[in-house]
Amino acid sequence: GESVGLHLPTLSVQEGDNSIINCAYSNSASDYFIWYKQESGKGPQFIIDIRSNMDKRQGQRVTVLLNKTVKHLSLQIAATQPGDSAVYFCAENAPYGGSQGNLIFGKGTKLSVKP
Amino acid sequence: KAGVTQTPRYLIKTRGQQVTLSCSPISGHRSVSWYQQTPGQGLQFLFEYFSETQRNKGNFPGRFSGRQFSNSRSEMNVSTLELGDSALYLCASSLWGQGAADEQYFGPGTRLTVT
Repeated sequence: GESVGLHLPTLSVQEGDNSIINCAYSNSASDYFIWYKQESGKGPQFIIDIRSNMDKRQGQRVTVLLNKTVKHLSLQIAATQPGDSAVYFCAENAPYGGSQGNLIFGKGTKLSVKP
Repeated sequence: KAGVTQTPRYLIKTRGQQVTLSCSPISGHRSVSWYQQTPGQGLQFLFEYFSETQRNKGNFPGRFSGRQFSNSRSEMNVSTLELGDSALYLCASSLWGQGAADEQYFGPGTRLTVT
């Protein structure tokens, strides 16, 4: 498969454990945040999003936490499975009229799940 | 409904040549964004098109250009290819586009190798 990052931070967890992936974002004007999962040879796949008027959002086995004070985002995966092994990216979106108006991606974290 | 499709999936070109990549968005989506993904730089925004107009542009040289057709399909072109242009080029579509807190769906990408 393709390597999406040679120097990515790596998180290694045991199957069944919970995983926490962290991300620091850059723009205090960003009002929308997304987590993507990218498997080898594929494009990024949407996992969960959160708007800046929230600090927590839950999906199926995933939870995103947003701390605007320190510009920090985290993704929690419950009962991690081998199929969760992938590179995870956070992305921030500043609104039009701000400094960006486009998605800015973090460098990514490689999650490796040991059976 | 069908997802985002990109053609070709793989491409090998030599330095100095030009290349055109194609992206078909999800039916009904009017925004198409292009990204370059490399191991060293990660995912970087190239440009966004909405209703046939370039709405936003990243920090790439003028050799990178694009366009969008009335059916929302988009093409990007890279002229005078350089070795450093070798990358995975990803296209993403959404209803209203970036800055609108709108979920983006990615295609599988086109792997461009410049020799």
